[in-house]
Amino acid sequence: EDQVTQSPEALRLQEGESSSLNCSYTVSGLRGLFWYRQDPGKGPEFLFTLYSAGEEKEKERLKATLTKKESFLHITAPKPEDSATYLCAVQGAAGTASKLTFGTGTRLQVTL
Amino acid sequence: DSGVTQTPKHLITATGQRVTLRCSPRSGDLSVYWYQQSLDQGLQFLIQYYNGEERAKGNILERFSAQQFPDLHSELNLSSLELGDSALYFCASSFRGNEQFFGPGTRLTVL
Repeated sequence: EDQVTQSPEALRLQEGESSSLNCSYTVSGLRGLFWYRQDPGKGPEFLFTLYSAGEEKEKERLKATLTKKESFLHITAPKPEDSATYLCAVQGAAGTASKLTFGTGTRLQVTL
Repeated sequence: DSGVTQTPKHLITATGQRVTLRCSPRSGDLSVYWYQQSLDQGLQFLIQYYNGEERAKGNILERFSAQQFPDLHSELNLSSLELGDSALYFCASSFRGNEQFFGPGTRLTVL
């Protein structure tokens, strides 16, 4: 069974203070690892897909990286508007299903 | 805006009742997924449809059922509701089965 563990559960940063969020996973054949951002009471917003170890993707202040066991979401010089819950999900290669298995997320708060 | 629409936004009902949640996928997407998000369990996959056919099932209760219609919209039916069914229900859609785009969700409250 696919599993995803995210750490830390919550993170409080000051504006401009860079940090990284961790996503550890076990999956039988990785089809893709996905990062989403979720604001309270809203649907998850797609950020990145990573397919193979060594791959990196960037978008504004966010950079996602992937190894064979984990993924990191690096946040450089965050701003208050980056405050949200960041979710990591994996899609395994088993069968024809393309369901996502999610971690419980990292709740990020960026203060002035 | 992801392009996925869900109605209603909020639903308040009583235990034992039945409700229907509706989802319209992004234009061109053939797959629809339903997920449940509760405070203690995070996002849990319920069921997937592809072009009208059921493709995969997660931990979906027997009291819950879904279908995808010829116009590709989908409905999730929840019956004999219990207090524990209170949650956010999200629909997502995808074209090739990779990136999934989520709708705004339906917040279900069972009293």
